[in-house]
Amino acid sequence: AQSVSQHNHHVILSEAASLELGCNYSYGGTVNLFWYVQYPGQHLQLLLKYFSGDPLVKGIKGFEAEFIKSKFSFNLRKPSVQWSDTAEYFCAVNFKAAGNKLTFGGGTRVLVKP
Amino acid sequence: DAEITQSPRHKITETGRQVTLACHQTWNHNNMFWYRQDLGHGLRLIHYSYGVQDTNKGEVSDGYSVSRSNTEDLPLTLESAASSQTSVYFCASSELSGGSDTQYFGPGTRLTVL
Repeated sequence: AQSVSQHNHHVILSEAASLELGCNYSYGGTVNLFWYVQYPGQHLQLLLKYFSGDPLVKGIKGFEAEFIKSKFSFNLRKPSVQWSDTAEYFCAVNFKAAGNKLTFGGGTRVLVKP
Repeated sequence: DAEITQSPRHKITETGRQVTLACHQTWNHNNMFWYRQDLGHGLRLIHYSYGVQDTNKGEVSDGYSVSRSNTEDLPLTLESAASSQTSVYFCASSELSGGSDTQYFGPGTRLTVL
């Protein structure tokens, strides 16, 4: 079965530090890739997505992600985090051969200390 | 503005009871999805629908059922609630086929089965 892995379950860092969250997926042919964020007490919101073209994707709130096809990875980055980035981050993959479904990683809880 | 709503937002029930969680979207999207969110597992797909009268099983469909009688609604029914079904449930919808579209999520329903 297709799967998505997020390596870090919890990340704690200070404001202004750089953030990188890993996401790897199992081989499954053509994919669409997403990062969602869930702020405390809120529903999931889309941060960014990749369908095709430039593998470096820029999203909202200063986030970006790079698709490396050879490594089956789609890592999320932000150069300088703020306290308001405290949230849970989910990587999700649409394995196109499986239709419109998304497969989610287990999530990474990020705590930014002021 | 178009939106996706879920009700109730919180529900406490007893083992063995039937429970129905509502999901209503005004995006006029064809695709609708139900997920459950559990710590360490991310979001797992329960059932999904690509249109009226269409329903499909997801990764964790045992003990759940859905029906799609119109475009706007996809209610999720727990036929006989079990403690293992204590979770947060999210409904989502999307428009295009092939996964090439963003899924929009509702606010979630927190279900506790005692």
